Amino acid sequence: DAGVIQSPRHEVTEMGQEVTLRCKPISGHNSLFWYRQTMMRGLELLIYFNNNVPIDDSGMPEDRFSAKMPNASFSTLKIQPSEPRDSAVYFCASRHGQNNQPQHFGDGTRLSIL
Amino acid sequence: GIQVEQSPPDLILQEGANSTLRCNFSDSVNNLQWFHQNPWGQLINLFYIPSGTKQNGRLSATTVATERYSLLYISSSQTTDSGVYFCAVDRAGNQFYFGTGTSLTVIP
Repeated sequence: DAGVIQSPRHEVTEMGQEVTLRCKPISGHNSLFWYRQTMMRGLELLIYFNNNVPIDDSGMPEDRFSAKMPNASFSTLKIQPSEPRDSAVYFCASRHGQNNQPQHFGDGTRLSIL
Repeated sequence: GIQVEQSPPDLILQEGANSTLRCNFSDSVNNLQWFHQNPWGQLINLFYIPSGTKQNGRLSATTVATERYSLLYISSSQTTDSGVYFCAVDRAGNQFYFGTGTSLTVIP
């Protein structure tokens, strides 16, 4: 079975540009999570969807960040405009059910903003 | 939020040695997972273990939920075990709190 699929794997762009990260969760999973990993802050949750509805976006750092889940098989995380401090690895994870199930992580997108 | 502390922060082992990694958490949890982040940055799910003991090959894990800790055992370590091991917990099913990790280096 395919795991969580993220694209692109790597993204290098100049500050001020719009960045869109994509995630395809495991089929049948109804919860989706976006995380960011940095050296300074470690792994932190940005936003969480359940049944395509954003439940908790308190981890989204600024209004420059937005996330959508138009259907059960696709989500995007967008940064506009991007800044050098947004450079990080962004992970998407999905889970079946709401509780008491493991989260499965994608391979991440390594984002560098110059 | 829930505080998650992992120890030791760094560990260097000779190939073939055994080790125990610890994860302490500050509140009751419904979920606990151990991950291995390999040198390529991938987060590999090792165990989903909110309580009890599980084994998978050379790895095993035990969680004592009432005492708020979990242990990850690595036996007969190999160089491919190198990387960072994370413990992550959540209580209500919507917020995963990660520890700061244990960085393991296995030398041949």
